[in-house]
Amino acid sequence: AQSVTQPDIHITVSEGASLELRCNYSYGATPYLFWYVQSPGQGLQLLLKYFSGDTLVQGIKGFEAEFKRSQSSFNLRKPSVHWSDAAEYFCAVAPGGFQKLVFGTGTRLLVSP
Amino acid sequence: DTEVTQTPKHLVMGMTNKKSLKCEQHMGHRAMYWYKQKAKKPPELMFVYSYEKLSINESVPSRFSPECPNSSLLNLHLHALQPEDSALYLCASSQGAGPEQYFGPGTRLTVT
Repeated sequence: AQSVTQPDIHITVSEGASLELRCNYSYGATPYLFWYVQSPGQGLQLLLKYFSGDTLVQGIKGFEAEFKRSQSSFNLRKPSVHWSDAAEYFCAVAPGGFQKLVFGTGTRLLVSP
Repeated sequence: DTEVTQTPKHLVMGMTNKKSLKCEQHMGHRAMYWYKQKAKKPPELMFVYSYEKLSINESVPSRFSPECPNSSLLNLHLHALQPEDSALYLCASSQGAGPEQYFGPGTRLTVT
């Protein structure tokens, strides 16, 4: 079945430490891939996207993500986390470039002092 | 300007009320979306308008009625809602048929 998996429901990282959030997808072909961030009670903000080309993509707020076709993964990384990064992070795919975004279940990031 | 605006920010309504949610974008996008998001869950797609025509309806109950008056505006008319319809309603837009969607801040709806 087609799906998007974010295996970590919660992650706690110390401020200043590095971060990696995992995302795996299950589709026949490489879909369009996205990471969104949502602060409590707010809308979703697009962090970065992958359509094709260079498998390491840079986004806003110092985030980057790496697409690995062999692992069907699109993991989000940040070298040094700030307290303001605490939020819910959603991986999403658009199979075949269509308008329907399929979201993972989300990972809540907690940042400890 | 990558901004989608939504009004109102909060809405409390009774089960017999009629209300509307509004969404506006000025990015020249030609596709607009309504999502419903329950607490601690990902957004769920409700409707998609493409070039002002309804292109996707995800089997949403008829008590939710979308409307796209023009390419910049999207409304969601609400009537006879149930308490389980309480949620954050998000609007999004995208360039034509492209998958890259930009979201508004949402309307927090409470049905009493």
